[in-house]
Amino acid sequence: GAVVSQHPSWVICKSGTSVKIECRSLDFQATTMFWYRQFPKQSLMLMATSNEGSKATYEQGVEKDKFLINHASLTLSTLTVTSAHPEDSSFYICSARGDWGRENTGELFFGEGSRLTVL
Amino acid sequence: AQSVTQPDIHITVSEGASLELRCNYSYGATPYLFWYVQSPGQGLQLLLKYFSGDTLVQGIKGFEAEFKRSQSSFNLRKPSVHWSDAAEYFCAVGRIYGGATNKLIFGTGTLLAVQP
Repeated sequence: GAVVSQHPSWVICKSGTSVKIECRSLDFQATTMFWYRQFPKQSLMLMATSNEGSKATYEQGVEKDKFLINHASLTLSTLTVTSAHPEDSSFYICSARGDWGRENTGELFFGEGSRLTVL
Repeated sequence: AQSVTQPDIHITVSEGASLELRCNYSYGATPYLFWYVQSPGQGLQLLLKYFSGDTLVQGIKGFEAEFKRSQSSFNLRKPSVHWSDAAEYFCAVGRIYGGATNKLIFGTGTLLAVQP
């Protein structure tokens, strides 16, 4: 299957700083990527849909100015948590959709996740 | 509203025993259903999916799931559990736009522990 990689896998930062998380599709082009947030012992909540070359679409209740998403190329989307606070500490997971037109119906492939801890 | 319910938060089974993880969904249209597995600190891996056709779908690692429209269920099963199956399992429902999977709504997950 296709590979999606996130970096960093774990980051610790001070309150008030900004953190950037990268999501890369390593062996396929992904016009669409999704960013999820997962709190401990909870499910994944979709934060936003990222489309290459256009603005991201945010889910209701997600602050777009706080969670900046950039999808500048077909293999890279970034999530920047601006002015991070302890309540932003979470596990962030991206997924990329392969749009290569096969009968796989554009299956989603997930990254390994990035754990953010804000002190 | 669209939703996915996994009634069992935590399940413990003995190695070699059979397993069934429950999933119920609420969806306004034809559901596209998925089961994912997540190992600690890892992303999600697709086990299987149902789009149409045969209501019993086979997945990787010996898992299968049965779609029952009348019960709005998509339960995951495995006849004999291995210790390596210990992980968290998520059921999800999604929409299809133009042949591509779009947003997924996830259940809260079921944490599976396997006893020796």
